[in-house]
Amino acid sequence: GAVVSQHPSRVICKSGTSVKIECRSLDFQATTMFWYRQFPKQSLMLMATSNEGSKATYEQGVEKDKFLINHASLTLSTLTVTSAHPEDSSFYICSARDVWGAQYNEQFFGPGTRLTVL
Amino acid sequence: AQSVTQPDIHITVSEGASLELRCNYSYGATPYLFWYVQSPGQGLQLLLKYFSGDTLVQGIKGFEAEFKRSQSSFNLRKPSVHWSDAAEYFCATLTSYDKVIFGPGTSLSVIP
Repeated sequence: GAVVSQHPSRVICKSGTSVKIECRSLDFQATTMFWYRQFPKQSLMLMATSNEGSKATYEQGVEKDKFLINHASLTLSTLTVTSAHPEDSSFYICSARDVWGAQYNEQFFGPGTRLTVL
Repeated sequence: AQSVTQPDIHITVSEGASLELRCNYSYGATPYLFWYVQSPGQGLQLLLKYFSGDTLVQGIKGFEAEFKRSQSSFNLRKPSVHWSDAAEYFCATLTSYDKVIFGPGTSLSVIP
Protein backbone atom coordinates (compact mmCIF):
# COMPACT_ATOMS: atom_id res chain seq x y z
CA GLY A 1 0.00 0.00 0.00
CA ALA A 2 0.85 3.64 -0.26
CA VAL A 3 3.19 4.79 2.49
CA VAL A 4 3.82 8.29 3.72
CA SER A 5 6.65 9.11 6.09
CA GLN A 6 7.41 12.16 8.18
CA HIS A 7 10.64 13.36 9.66
CA PRO A 8 11.30 14.06 12.42
CA SER A 9 8.75 12.26 14.55
CA ARG A 10 9.45 14.55 17.47
CA VAL A 11 11.21 17.86 17.73
CA ILE A 12 11.83 20.22 20.60
CA CYS A 13 13.06 23.72 19.86
CA LYS A 14 13.55 27.04 21.53
CA SER A 15 11.18 29.91 21.00
CA GLY A 16 12.18 32.02 18.02
CA THR A 17 13.85 29.28 16.04
CA SER A 18 12.58 27.68 12.84
CA VAL A 19 11.74 24.03 12.41
CA LYS A 20 11.41 22.07 9.19
CA ILE A 21 9.20 18.99 8.90
CA GLU A 22 9.46 16.67 5.94
CA CYS A 23 6.68 14.62 4.39
CA ARG A 24 7.58 11.94 1.85
CA SER A 25 5.53 9.60 -0.26
CA LEU A 26 7.66 6.46 -0.34
CA ASP A 27 6.13 4.35 -3.07
CA PHE A 28 4.04 6.70 -5.15
CA GLN A 29 4.10 10.15 -6.65
CA ALA A 30 2.03 12.80 -4.99
CA THR A 31 1.20 15.94 -6.91
CA THR A 32 -0.81 17.10 -3.94
CA MET A 33 0.00 16.85 -0.27
CA PHE A 34 -1.88 18.24 2.69
CA TRP A 35 -0.75 19.54 6.06
CA TYR A 36 -2.86 19.24 9.19
CA ARG A 37 -2.43 20.43 12.75
CA GLN A 38 -3.88 18.71 15.76
CA PHE A 39 -3.98 20.23 19.23
CA PRO A 40 -4.32 17.93 22.25
CA LYS A 41 -7.66 16.23 22.45
CA GLN A 42 -8.88 17.98 19.32
CA SER A 43 -9.54 17.00 15.76
CA LEU A 44 -7.28 17.50 12.78
CA MET A 45 -7.51 20.88 11.14
CA LEU A 46 -6.38 21.35 7.57
CA MET A 47 -3.72 24.02 7.34
CA ALA A 48 -2.78 24.02 3.69
CA THR A 49 -2.73 22.17 0.41
CA SER A 50 0.68 21.69 -1.11
CA ASN A 51 0.92 21.39 -4.87
CA GLU A 52 4.06 20.21 -6.60
CA GLY A 53 5.75 23.01 -8.46
CA SER A 54 3.40 25.75 -7.34
CA LYS A 55 2.49 27.79 -4.32
CA ALA A 56 0.60 26.21 -1.48
CA THR A 57 -2.99 27.09 -0.77
CA TYR A 58 -3.62 28.03 2.84
CA GLU A 59 -6.82 27.66 4.79
CA GLN A 60 -8.42 30.70 6.28
CA GLY A 61 -6.67 31.85 9.41
CA VAL A 62 -3.37 30.10 8.71
CA GLU A 63 -0.42 32.47 8.43
CA LYS A 64 1.41 31.62 5.24
CA ASP A 65 4.50 33.59 6.29
CA LYS A 66 4.72 31.59 9.47
CA PHE A 67 4.07 28.17 7.99
CA LEU A 68 6.18 27.94 4.85
CA ILE A 69 5.37 25.04 2.57
CA ASN A 70 7.55 23.80 -0.24
CA HIS A 71 6.62 20.96 -2.58
CA ALA A 72 9.66 20.78 -4.80
CA SER A 73 9.29 17.21 -6.00
CA LEU A 74 6.58 14.62 -6.51
CA THR A 75 7.60 12.78 -3.37
CA LEU A 76 8.54 15.51 -0.91
CA SER A 77 6.76 18.37 0.78
CA THR A 78 8.21 20.38 3.63
CA LEU A 79 6.57 22.50 6.29
CA THR A 80 8.76 25.09 7.99
CA VAL A 81 7.47 26.69 11.15
CA THR A 82 9.27 30.01 11.26
CA SER A 83 10.03 31.86 14.48
CA ALA A 84 8.24 29.21 16.46
CA HIS A 85 6.51 30.09 19.70
CA PRO A 86 5.00 27.90 22.42
CA GLU A 87 1.53 28.29 20.92
CA ASP A 88 2.83 26.54 17.79
CA SER A 89 3.40 23.40 19.81
CA SER A 90 1.18 20.79 18.23
CA PHE A 91 1.00 17.53 16.34
CA TYR A 92 1.54 18.10 12.61
CA ILE A 93 0.34 15.46 10.18
CA CYS A 94 0.73 15.35 6.43
CA SER A 95 -1.16 13.35 3.86
CA ALA A 96 -0.71 12.63 0.18
CA ARG A 97 -2.83 11.48 -2.70
CA ASP A 98 -1.75 8.91 -5.24
CA VAL A 99 -3.58 10.59 -8.09
CA TRP A 100 -2.57 7.93 -10.61
CA GLY A 101 -3.35 4.99 -8.42
CA ALA A 102 -6.52 2.97 -8.06
CA GLN A 103 -7.12 4.63 -4.69
CA TYR A 104 -6.96 8.13 -6.09
CA ASN A 105 -9.77 9.36 -3.86
CA GLU A 106 -8.00 8.32 -0.71
CA GLN A 107 -5.40 10.29 1.18
CA PHE A 108 -2.60 8.45 2.89
CA PHE A 109 -1.46 9.91 6.18
CA GLY A 110 1.97 10.18 7.66
CA PRO A 111 2.66 9.20 11.27
CA GLY A 112 2.83 12.79 12.43
CA THR A 113 5.43 15.09 13.98
CA ARG A 114 5.17 16.26 17.57
CA LEU A 115 6.51 19.80 17.85
CA THR A 116 7.25 21.25 21.27
CA VAL A 117 8.40 24.85 21.48
CA LEU A 118 9.99 25.85 24.78
CA ALA B 1 -20.18 23.40 2.99
CA GLN B 2 -19.53 19.72 3.40
CA SER B 3 -19.00 18.61 6.96
CA VAL B 4 -19.22 15.68 9.31
CA THR B 5 -20.41 15.67 12.87
CA GLN B 6 -19.89 13.15 15.61
CA PRO B 7 -22.51 13.68 18.29
CA ASP B 8 -20.71 11.71 20.99
CA ILE B 9 -17.58 13.27 22.45
CA HIS B 10 -16.83 10.32 24.67
CA ILE B 11 -18.19 6.79 24.97
CA THR B 12 -17.42 4.12 27.52
CA VAL B 13 -18.21 0.47 26.91
CA SER B 14 -17.40 -2.77 28.66
CA GLU B 15 -15.05 -5.19 27.02
CA GLY B 16 -17.01 -7.68 24.98
CA ALA B 17 -19.97 -5.35 24.53
CA SER B 18 -21.08 -4.06 21.16
CA LEU B 19 -20.14 -0.61 19.94
CA GLU B 20 -21.70 1.97 17.68
CA LEU B 21 -20.10 5.34 16.98
CA ARG B 22 -22.23 7.88 15.22
CA CYS B 23 -21.32 10.05 12.28
CA ASN B 24 -23.53 12.38 10.29
CA TYR B 25 -22.55 14.12 7.09
CA SER B 26 -23.88 17.05 5.15
CA TYR B 27 -23.66 16.78 1.38
CA GLY B 28 -26.25 16.64 -1.37
CA ALA B 29 -24.55 14.09 -3.55
CA THR B 30 -23.01 10.77 -2.56
CA PRO B 31 -20.13 11.56 -0.23
CA TYR B 32 -16.82 9.86 0.18
CA LEU B 33 -16.65 8.83 3.83
CA PHE B 34 -13.94 7.43 6.04
CA TRP B 35 -13.41 6.22 9.57
CA TYR B 36 -9.98 6.59 11.13
CA VAL B 37 -8.65 5.51 14.51
CA GLN B 38 -5.89 7.26 16.42
CA SER B 39 -4.17 5.86 19.47
CA PRO B 40 -2.62 8.36 21.92
CA GLY B 41 0.36 10.11 20.42
CA GLN B 42 0.07 8.17 17.20
CA GLY B 43 -0.90 8.86 13.63
CA LEU B 44 -4.11 7.89 11.90
CA GLN B 45 -5.10 4.43 10.79
CA LEU B 46 -7.80 3.96 8.20
CA LEU B 47 -10.48 1.54 9.39
CA LEU B 48 -12.74 1.63 6.37
CA LYS B 49 -14.07 3.82 3.61
CA TYR B 50 -17.19 4.27 1.53
CA PHE B 51 -17.22 5.65 -1.99
CA SER B 52 -20.20 3.94 -3.60
CA GLY B 53 -21.88 0.57 -3.98
CA ASP B 54 -22.75 -1.70 -1.09
CA THR B 55 -23.83 0.45 1.83
CA LEU B 56 -22.43 -1.95 4.43
CA VAL B 57 -18.68 -1.62 4.46
CA GLN B 58 -16.32 -4.02 6.16
CA GLY B 59 -13.10 -2.75 7.58
CA ILE B 60 -10.10 -3.88 9.54
CA LYS B 61 -10.05 -5.03 13.16
CA GLY B 62 -13.62 -6.33 12.95
CA PHE B 63 -15.20 -2.93 12.30
CA GLU B 64 -17.99 -2.23 9.87
CA ALA B 65 -19.98 0.84 8.92
CA GLU B 66 -23.30 1.38 7.22
CA PHE B 67 -24.04 4.26 4.89
CA LYS B 68 -27.64 5.45 5.24
CA ARG B 69 -28.54 8.20 2.83
CA SER B 70 -31.98 8.71 4.38
CA GLN B 71 -30.37 9.53 7.70
CA SER B 72 -27.20 11.17 6.36
CA SER B 73 -25.28 8.80 8.57
CA PHE B 74 -22.24 6.57 8.42
CA ASN B 75 -22.11 4.87 11.79
CA LEU B 76 -19.25 2.65 12.82
CA ARG B 77 -19.99 -0.64 14.56
CA LYS B 78 -18.19 -3.51 16.18
CA PRO B 79 -19.98 -6.51 17.69
CA SER B 80 -17.52 -7.14 20.50
CA VAL B 81 -15.08 -4.53 21.75
CA HIS B 82 -11.58 -5.37 22.91
CA TRP B 83 -9.58 -3.35 25.43
CA SER B 84 -7.14 -2.48 22.64
CA ASP B 85 -9.91 -0.63 20.81
CA ALA B 86 -9.68 2.23 23.29
CA ALA B 87 -8.66 5.20 21.15
CA GLU B 88 -9.93 8.29 19.38
CA TYR B 89 -12.14 7.70 16.37
CA PHE B 90 -12.60 10.20 13.58
CA CYS B 91 -15.19 10.24 10.86
CA ALA B 92 -14.08 12.15 7.77
CA THR B 93 -15.26 13.11 4.33
CA LEU B 94 -13.55 14.04 1.09
CA THR B 95 -14.91 17.33 -0.13
CA SER B 96 -15.50 18.41 -3.68
CA TYR B 97 -12.30 20.42 -3.37
CA ASP B 98 -10.29 17.25 -2.68
CA LYS B 99 -9.82 18.14 0.97
CA VAL B 100 -10.43 15.70 3.79
CA ILE B 101 -12.52 17.23 6.54
CA PHE B 102 -12.57 15.53 9.91
CA GLY B 103 -15.29 15.34 12.49
CA PRO B 104 -14.50 16.36 16.07
CA GLY B 105 -13.79 12.80 17.11
CA THR B 106 -15.19 10.36 19.63
CA SER B 107 -13.02 9.13 22.45
CA LEU B 108 -13.64 5.49 23.29
CA SER B 109 -12.86 4.03 26.69
CA VAL B 110 -13.14 0.32 27.35
CA ILE B 111 -13.84 -1.05 30.82
CA PRO B 112 -12.21 -4.42 31.51
